[in-house]
Parts: sequence; C-alpha cells; structure tokens
Amino acid sequence: QKEVEQDPGPLSVPEGAIVSLNCTYSNSAFQYFMWYRQYSRKGPELLMYTYSSGNKEDGRFTAQVDKSSKYISLFIRDSQPSDSATYLCAMLGPGSARQLTFGSGTQLTVLP
Amino acid sequence: NAGVTQTPKFQVLKTGQSMTLQCAQDMNHEYMSWYRQDPGMGLRLIHYSVGAGITDQGEVPNGYNVSRSTTEDFPLRLLSAAPSQTSVYFCASSRGTDEKLFFGSGTQLSVL
Repeated sequence: QKEVEQDPGPLSVPEGAIVSLNCTYSNSAFQYFMWYRQYSRKGPELLMYTYSSGNKEDGRFTAQVDKSSKYISLFIRDSQPSDSATYLCAMLGPGSARQLTFGSGTQLTVLP
Repeated sequence: NAGVTQTPKFQVLKTGQSMTLQCAQDMNHEYMSWYRQDPGMGLRLIHYSVGAGITDQGEVPNGYNVSRSTTEDFPLRLLSAAPSQTSVYFCASSRGTDEKLFFGSGTQLSVL
C-alpha cells in the first residue's frame, strides 16, 4: 500500500465549476501538507502549504486537512481553463531527511 | 534570477551508456534534490543534499550517483543506463528541508 493515495483521474469539468481534489495517507507522522500544480512538460510549482488541521484559503483555492481521518483536499472555486494541469499532493514527516512524499497526481481539465 | 536550471531537456541513450544530468540554482539554496517522475508513480526521490559536500540517498538511488562540490550545482550521474531509467527527471532546491521546493523544468530521458 502506498503511503499517499491520490485518484489519478482524469477529471474534466466545465468552466466555473467547483473542483475537489483529494488525497489520503497512512503515515500519521506527516506534519506538513502541500499541493503542487504541474503544467504539461513543466516542473511542479507549489500552490498551497499547510501545517495544521483545518482550512487555508488563497484566492480561489482552499486547502483542507483532516489529520484524524488522514485526508487532505484542495478545492478550486470558479475553475478556469488555465487551471487545467496535474495536481500533486505532497507530505512531509519528521526526521533528519524530512523527505517529501508525493501522491501520483490528478489530471484536471477545465473546459471553456 | 533563473531559479533552477536543468540541462539537457531531452536525451536518448543506449543501454550501458553513461551521462550526467546537470542542475544549477542561483537562489543560494542549501537543500537540493533529484526526483524521477513515472506515470502512476508520482515523484520519487533519488538523492538529495543538505549542503555542499553532503549527499544522501532517497527512495530510489540505485544506478545513480551525485556529488555537491558547490552550493549552486548538483549533477546526477547515470553510470550504466538501463531501460528502467527511462523517465522524466526533476531537480529541485529549497532554503531548508521543510521549505518551499523550487523545481526545474525537467529532463526527459529515454534509454533504448
């Protein structure tokens, strides 16, 4: 079983829709939770970074962490065609290496 | 300020050949790392470095070597390429191990 599970999609929604992207994890030691966005043939870029359980909002994006359920979500409001990309969740645990563990990514297409 | 620069963007190798993927960053970041990205597998850490002269193995280090002689550069060496090393390789850097990761644009490698 992978430490981080993410539905690969693909997910296709009409412009203006609310998008919900999710990851589950098994390692209760994870402390930091991130969402990266990756456009085709580009490197990932950090979108959201959260530490504690609860919600964090940044413009049209909301990151939600539920540590008790080991479940994180990214919500995109008023989705735009420019949001079409692969979204990767990532988590960081304690230890000297503090290595990021990535989900496999969800491919999102927002149709105009 | 170029960020993280990777060269080459594309490379085709024959089985058994060796090559070096170059990575340079101009942000004075201490932490640098190499990932490979395969379909359905997400990003997996190959090697990382927490500063010049210090390197360590990640999740999938076999068949790869790294060195860190300067803060700016972190080359990845394939000693004897195998078809299983066909992948997209990303270099990343950050100020610290729990800080935002900046990714390069990737090297697409095919081993025939």
